[in-house]
Amino acid sequence: DTEVTQTPKHLVMGMTNKKSLKCEQHMGHRAMYWYKQKAKKPPELMFVYSYEKLSINESVPSRFSPECPNSSLLNLHLHALQPEDSALYLCASSELDNEQFFGPGTRLTVL
Amino acid sequence: TQLLEQSPQFLSIQEGENLTVYCNSSSVFSSLQWYRQEPGEGPVLLVTVVTGGEVKKLKRLTFQFGDARKDSSLHITAAQPGDTGLYLCAGLTSGTYKYIFGTGTRLKVLA
Repeated sequence: DTEVTQTPKHLVMGMTNKKSLKCEQHMGHRAMYWYKQKAKKPPELMFVYSYEKLSINESVPSRFSPECPNSSLLNLHLHALQPEDSALYLCASSELDNEQFFGPGTRLTVL
Repeated sequence: TQLLEQSPQFLSIQEGENLTVYCNSSSVFSSLQWYRQEPGEGPVLLVTVVTGGEVKKLKRLTFQFGDARKDSSLHITAAQPGDTGLYLCAGLTSGTYKYIFGTGTRLKVLA
């Protein structure tokens, strides 16, 4: 099983809303990732968790707050977002020195 | 800064034609992945290459990793409309969890 699941599939939120994106994997991978992808561009790394600890933060604004409750789950909490944050948000997982698997993504629209 | 340049950026061809996509870097990678992505969906892993000079085949797709593990190519034989999508390469440096994504190649195969 190489499945990474993400919910919700689509999300529309206002600039004052608080919402969360969720990601789950059951492959026993010890690294989990959040990426942001704008149309027709490659994914941009936001955060990496390894062994449930934040190991990479690519200078992401604090209005994005990641959380890793356990080795299978990864959340991304959103607050006070801007319209330019509208994008496809991708979750991925991998083992060290091994291939990375992506979820289907959450299409986020900020009004 | 590690960069992965893909060429061409865009490619529009007729069904049945052959094509090659290149992924080049000045950095050495321990492995390199190729993905295909459709609009609004997550990237789907096609192949991982690990050994310098390695060639892998997946039906009509042939992947090669450069001898120095700095570059890779994807060759598609007799392209079909179902091959349409965004092709991404991603390199991994040994001992890290950080994948460097290529700039992407957008392929359109016309029937």
